[in-house]
Amino acid sequence: GAVVSQHPSWVICKSGTSVKIECRSLDFQATTMFWYRQFPKQSLMLMATSNEGSKATYEQGVEKDKFLINHASLTLSTLTVTSAHPEDSSFYICSARGETGNQPQHFGDGTRLSIL
Amino acid sequence: AQSVTQLGSHVSVSEGALVLLRCNYSSSVPPYLFWYVQYPNQGLQLLLKYTSAATLVKGINGFEAEFKKSETSFHLTKPSAHMSDAAEYFCAVSGLRGFQKLVFGTGTRLLVSP
Repeated sequence: GAVVSQHPSWVICKSGTSVKIECRSLDFQATTMFWYRQFPKQSLMLMATSNEGSKATYEQGVEKDKFLINHASLTLSTLTVTSAHPEDSSFYICSARGETGNQPQHFGDGTRLSIL
Repeated sequence: AQSVTQLGSHVSVSEGALVLLRCNYSSSVPPYLFWYVQYPNQGLQLLLKYTSAATLVKGINGFEAEFKKSETSFHLTKPSAHMSDAAEYFCAVSGLRGFQKLVFGTGTRLLVSP
């Protein structure tokens, strides 16, 4: 149980385009979803926390106009990287957590984003 | 505020040897503690979690961790390493009974040699 699906797993696109990444909880309702960014050989950096039906809370230093997060339902959150540039290339990982606080976060398999 | 320190960015063991990955935490509230494993180009998989119940926590794949409040530690162990255990391991802390965000350590890469 507690499966989180992230799509796509790999995307390559030209500089200036926008890229949407989907994160779905397949067998539970995710009241909270998280988006992380991971640089090579480094730890995960939390970008934002989203709760279903409300605006995402962004971490300090993360541009909310650059990284648009939508959490429209209890099973789906999306991250859109707008006008992507090479410096946005990274590994993006989502996680989802159920309704009770002592439930751990369950992670998707990540999206490798490469901007040319 | 919470923080996690993982000692050793790399740990090398031989197959069959004891695995010990160190994690020390700092938290102003009773912590929830987690160990996750990450294989290349994949997300994180939960190994085990401590949520203020038993201090010795058993997880998947033969791993276990012991919460020691006096030492502010939550070290991960496995009696006998397998080649398939080679991966990146992250310790993480959360407060307020898990409702707060996870704070991750910098990770420890486990290398297993035949």
